[in-house]
Amino acid sequence: EAGVVQSPRYKIIEKKQPVAFWCNPISGHNTLYWYLQNLGQGPELLIRYENEEAVDDSQLPKDRFSAERLKGVDSTLKIQPAELGDSAVYLCASSLAVGGGWETQYFGPGTRLLVL
Amino acid sequence: GIQVEQSPPDLILQEGANSTLRCNFSDSVNNLQWFHQNPWGQLINLFYIPSGTKQNGRLSATTVATERYSLLYISSSQTTDSGVYFCAVDRDDKIIFGKGTRLHILP
Repeated sequence: EAGVVQSPRYKIIEKKQPVAFWCNPISGHNTLYWYLQNLGQGPELLIRYENEEAVDDSQLPKDRFSAERLKGVDSTLKIQPAELGDSAVYLCASSLAVGGGWETQYFGPGTRLLVL
Repeated sequence: GIQVEQSPPDLILQEGANSTLRCNFSDSVNNLQWFHQNPWGQLINLFYIPSGTKQNGRLSATTVATERYSLLYISSSQTTDSGVYFCAVDRDDKIIFGKGTRLHILP
């Protein structure tokens, strides 16, 4: 069974440029998460989807970040415009949540973003 | 919001040693998971353990929800156990990760 797939694995951009990350969750997983991980820190949840609905986006900086999960499968996270402080690893995870519970999460390899 | 504290922050051990990692949380939680992040950055779930004790090979975990802590035990450490161990809690649909324990196993 394929795991969570993310692309690109690495991205270098100049500040003020846009950037987008793509995530394909494990087949059948209805819940998808985007996290940001700074160096030496634990992941911080940005947004959580249940199917197509964003059920928790309270930590998403909505002035520059946006996300979508069309058809309840793949998801895209976008930053526009990127700032120097956005340099981090962006992780995608998925789980099979039953009855609204928080089930075991499976993480992708992440996208390492460097903003110059 | 809820606070998650992990200890120790760093741990260096010789191969074959045993270790105990601790996760304290400041309020009641619905769920708790332990993860291992390997040196290449991949996060792997180890245990989904809101309460009780679970074992998987050389690893085991215990969560005492009433006292707001969880412990991860690693026995007979191997170099492949190196990396960062995170606990994450879920409360009111908010998922909070601790800062992790960085474990380095020396050959």
